[in-house]
Amino acid sequence: QKEVEQNSGPLSVPEGAIASLNCTYSDRVSQSFFWYRQYSGKSPELIMSIYSNGDKEDGRFTAQLNKASQYVSLLIRDSQPSDSATYLCATISGGYNKLIFGAGTRLAVHP
Amino acid sequence: DGGITQSPKYLFRKEGQNVTLSCEQNLNHDAMYWYRQDPGQGLRLIYYSQIVNDFQKGDIAEGYSVSREKKESFPLTVTSAQKNPTAFYLCATSPSGRAKGTDTQYFGPGTRLTVL
Repeated sequence: QKEVEQNSGPLSVPEGAIASLNCTYSDRVSQSFFWYRQYSGKSPELIMSIYSNGDKEDGRFTAQLNKASQYVSLLIRDSQPSDSATYLCATISGGYNKLIFGAGTRLAVHP
Repeated sequence: DGGITQSPKYLFRKEGQNVTLSCEQNLNHDAMYWYRQDPGQGLRLIYYSQIVNDFQKGDIAEGYSVSREKKESFPLTVTSAQKNPTAFYLCATSPSGRAKGTDTQYFGPGTRLTVL
């Protein structure tokens, strides 16, 4: 069983809509969760981190964490074509600062 | 200009050759990491270092070696023992050398290695 799972997509949304990206994880003791955005051929860049149950908002982005359901999501409001990328979900696992990544969800925002 | 630099951007290796990928940072971060990314897959940890002169194997260390002689530098050598080295290699850093469970990792621009 994969430790972090994401739907590979592509998730296609029209410009201006809300994009909803989902991630589930298997390690119940995971405390820290991260969303990275990766454009084709580029390295991942951090968008959001979340550590507590509930919502965390930063501009057009909202991360949601539900530890009981082992579920973390990323909402992108007013989606733009420039948001088209692969979004990687990651959590810290183990006795050191080891990031476990999902395979990523490809988002396509069409005009 | 601050940040994480990786060189070269593209690297071609012949069968049986060892190659070394460079990673340098001026963020004064204690911890450094090497990941490998294959198409359609998430990142997998190769090696990590929490402090100078110390490093640990990650999930896929076979065929790779590292050194951490300076805080700023964490080079990765891909040896001929690595059977399938063609991949995108990413170096990352985080501020703390000791696990806090919340430390954010930041990535360099990556090196794309191709075996000819």
